[in-house]
Amino acid sequence: QSALTQPASVSGSPGQSITISCTGTSSDIGSWNVVSWYQHLPGKAPKLLIYEVNKRPSWISSRFSGSKSGNTASLTISGLQAEDEGDYSCCSRAGSGVLYVFGTGTKVTVL
Amino acid sequence: QVQLQESGPGLVEPSGTLSLTCAVSGDSISSRDWWTWVRQPPGKELEWIGEIYLRGSNAYNPSFGSRVTISVDRSTNHFSLKLTAVTAADTAVYYCVRNGVPSYFDWWGQGTLVTVSS
Repeated sequence: QSALTQPASVSGSPGQSITISCTGTSSDIGSWNVVSWYQHLPGKAPKLLIYEVNKRPSWISSRFSGSKSGNTASLTISGLQAEDEGDYSCCSRAGSGVLYVFGTGTKVTVL
Repeated sequence: QVQLQESGPGLVEPSGTLSLTCAVSGDSISSRDWWTWVRQPPGKELEWIGEIYLRGSNAYNPSFGSRVTISVDRSTNHFSLKLTAVTAADTAVYYCVRNGVPSYFDWWGQGTLVTVSS
C-alpha cells in the first residue's frame, strides 16, 4: 500500500485561499468516504481538521473545508492566516492489511 | 479535554525492543473501542503501525510482521506498543492516538522520538 500523494508545498498570502490535493487509488480514497486531514504545527500534537471527507470537529474553524472526487481528496483553507503555517497530512481508510494510509505531507507557507 | 502522553526510552540498541506507553487522561480508555499507534520516520510521511480493539482482535500493519504488539491496561488507563528486533529504520517519532468512528484519529499525543543506535 503506497502513501497518498500530496504536493510537497503550497503557499499563499494572508487572506487568500489555498487547496491541498491528496491523490490515492481506487483501493483507498476511491473506495471509502473516510478521508481525514491533520494539521501538524511545530512542537504540537497533530490536530484533526476534517473527517469523513468534509466534516469538521466543532472546535475547528469553518475556514477549513474538505471535498473528494474520485481518487482525489482536497483540503481548502480560506482566509489564510499566519497561524496556519505548518504541515498538513491526509489519511484514508485502505483495504485489508494496511488499514490506514497517510499522505506524503504538505508544508503550507504563509507569505 | 482528552490528552495522550507517550513515554519510554529515547534510545534503543539495534536488535533490541522498543517499548512505549501512552497515558490517557480526560477520558476513560474504555470509552472508545480502538486506540492506535502511528510513527513518522525523519523526513518521511506518517505510517500506521496498528490498533488495539478493546472488544476483540488487534490489527497490525503487515510490514511489521510479528515484531509488533499493542496492549492495554484498563486499570491504569494506558495502552502500550512493543516493537522487537529494531533496526535504524525504526528510528521515528512515535504517536499514540485515539480513534474516532468511523476511521479517523481525533486526539493525538505530542509524539516521542525513538532513535535506534548503538
